[in-house]
Amino acid sequence: QVQLVESGGGVVQPGRSLRLSCAASGFTFSDHFMHWIRQAPGKGPERVAVISYDGTDKFYADSVKGRFTISRDNSKNTLYLQMNSLRTDDTAMYYCAREKNSAMVFDYWGQGKLVTVSS
Amino acid sequence: DIVMTQSPDSLAVSLGERATINCKSSQSVLYSSNSKNYLAWYQQKPGQPPKLLIYWASTRESGVPDRFIGSGSGTDFSLTISSLQAEDVAVYYCQQYYGTPWTFGQGTKVEIK
Repeated sequence: QVQLVESGGGVVQPGRSLRLSCAASGFTFSDHFMHWIRQAPGKGPERVAVISYDGTDKFYADSVKGRFTISRDNSKNTLYLQMNSLRTDDTAMYYCAREKNSAMVFDYWGQGKLVTVSS
Repeated sequence: DIVMTQSPDSLAVSLGERATINCKSSQSVLYSSNSKNYLAWYQQKPGQPPKLLIYWASTRESGVPDRFIGSGSGTDFSLTISSLQAEDVAVYYCQQYYGTPWTFGQGTKVEIK
């Protein structure tokens, strides 16, 4: 069955960096666009970044552009999110999600990793 | 950005009764070339990630019970739970994937009366 397992969250001071990973299994990873989506406490989800099948195309939300980098390693079935210059308003649960091939929606989500940015 | 506005923010419905959640987009999400509405619905239970229920405004995801019904077109959409069950207690989100960035509504909390 499809599984997405995030790792790498935690507490970090403003201005510091953190890298999230998402290990995928149960499907052909390279056949899907993959996304990072975050959700601040009590708020709706916000898509942060998306990456194409082979990693050549990437898109970022304005709120993270220039600070976050999405990447993937199809040989390892793993998705990454490098987060630099973290701010307190980046505090959220971060999910990796698979894009459904027949519709541009998120059909599988990981359980999420909490990132807390605080001094 | 396309703004998605849900109503109400919360609602309480008796078991077995109908629950209806509304979602309005700030511009049409109907793509005229294929006549598809780029609108999805998700369910999120406490401590869990969102789960895809409906896409193309009315297509149920595999395994989703048929009591979940999506409807609407253009800028006005609804998610109806035809007969509320205890396991349906959750927050529901609409999401548009017509324009970049894809955006979600603020959520509607459904509880048992």
